[in-house]
Amino acid sequence: DTAVSQTPKYLVTQMGNDKSIKCEQNLGHDTMYWYKQDSKKFLKIMFSYNNKELIINETVPNRFSPKSPDKAHLNLHINSLELGDSAVYFCASSHGLAGGETQYFGPGTRLLVL
Amino acid sequence: AQKITQTQPGMFVQEKEAVTLDCTYDTSDPSYGLFWYKQPSSGEMIFLIYQGSYDQQNATEGRYSLNFQKARKSANLVISASQLGDSAMYFCAMREEKGGANNLFFGTGTRLTVIP
Repeated sequence: DTAVSQTPKYLVTQMGNDKSIKCEQNLGHDTMYWYKQDSKKFLKIMFSYNNKELIINETVPNRFSPKSPDKAHLNLHINSLELGDSAVYFCASSHGLAGGETQYFGPGTRLLVL
Repeated sequence: AQKITQTQPGMFVQEKEAVTLDCTYDTSDPSYGLFWYKQPSSGEMIFLIYQGSYDQQNATEGRYSLNFQKARKSANLVISASQLGDSAMYFCAMREEKGGANNLFFGTGTRLTVIP
């Protein structure tokens, strides 16, 4: 049983389109995250949600909007896609707010904007 | 300022030998956590090992151990008895609390290649 799943695994789209990436975790975790990994493999936090509240919003363009319908899901919506949005997007989750909580990652969604 | 520094873009190790992947960090927070993740060519991020800033002993998980030197702010990953399947990117990360969540800052990674 997959702990953190993302769909789709690959996404190829045209510039200017709007797209969504879905994330689900079945670990019963309270906090979920979105990370972006660029072409140089650098990973950076984008958002995190705890109990359906956004608690970190790094300096990402407002074209990106996370939406959490419930504790087990955190979807990422991207409007007006740009070439620079091409990257691998990872969803992750952790249990609670304690300092040592490990984040478990999904398999990643490879987004290519043409 | 870079919070996590991995100075080795690439490392090679002979199969069955041990290898150390370097990681240094920068924080003024007395409470923090350090993590290592493995990213094989298939792309997923796999959690390997965790070290808390207040942990007295170095963390170990099977063939993985973390050489935690707090005064030097280093958290090197040691892989013993390397296997071909260990070939992957390895990322060091530090947890920093912000707004109550565990925000992870990642290093740039080290690509490990195990030679048969």
